[in-house]
Amino acid sequence: DAMVIQNPRYQVTQFGKPVTLSCSQTLNHNVMYWYQQKSSQAPKLLFHYYDKDFNNEADTPDNFQSRRPNTSFCFLDIRSPGLGDAAMYLCATSRDKETQYFGPGTRLLVL
Amino acid sequence: AQSVTQPDIHITVSEGASLELRCNYSYGATPYLFWYVQSPGQGLQLLLKYFSGDTLVQGIKGFEAEFKRSQSSFNLRKPSVHWSDAAEYFCAVGASVIYNQGGKLIFGQGTELSVKP
Repeated sequence: DAMVIQNPRYQVTQFGKPVTLSCSQTLNHNVMYWYQQKSSQAPKLLFHYYDKDFNNEADTPDNFQSRRPNTSFCFLDIRSPGLGDAAMYLCATSRDKETQYFGPGTRLLVL
Repeated sequence: AQSVTQPDIHITVSEGASLELRCNYSYGATPYLFWYVQSPGQGLQLLLKYFSGDTLVQGIKGFEAEFKRSQSSFNLRKPSVHWSDAAEYFCAVGASVIYNQGGKLIFGQGTELSVKP
């Protein structure tokens, strides 16, 4: 089945230690998104790639970066995680600007 | 500014009872409207969507939603709730102008549904 895959499902890191979250998709969608969702809150868009074009949300901290080496993969890099970055990170994909399909998420814990 | 309001933070219904979850949006043009469901520790699953056409849309798992432009609403309904429907439900708007520039979804705060046996 075509799907959005996120690895790992759970990630524990130390305060200030860089961490990378991975997203891959078999849907061949050209748009990929990263959302941050804190406990009991709605998902918040961090940035997205439209094909190779990177689009950052104005309020996304510089601590968050992203890479998309090819159509299928997209990475979220957190350069120096703080306690406030503990959250569920959701990857989503879409074809152009249509329906977004979400992966299962990666829960990040910062110690 | 575009916004989505889900007035009910938490709803409890009995199994077999009907359900309506409310969603109101604020946007000047015709929005793209979505309902997603999220089980604990999981990602978001699309229930249904409205882009244009018939204002009553059918989704998966027996859910439906009705777009009412005059009320700026897109309420989600199900005639008979099952215990497995217990989850968090998010209404989202893809505001058409912004959406066509990059697909940003604006989410409501979510409604947590509990189902009593």
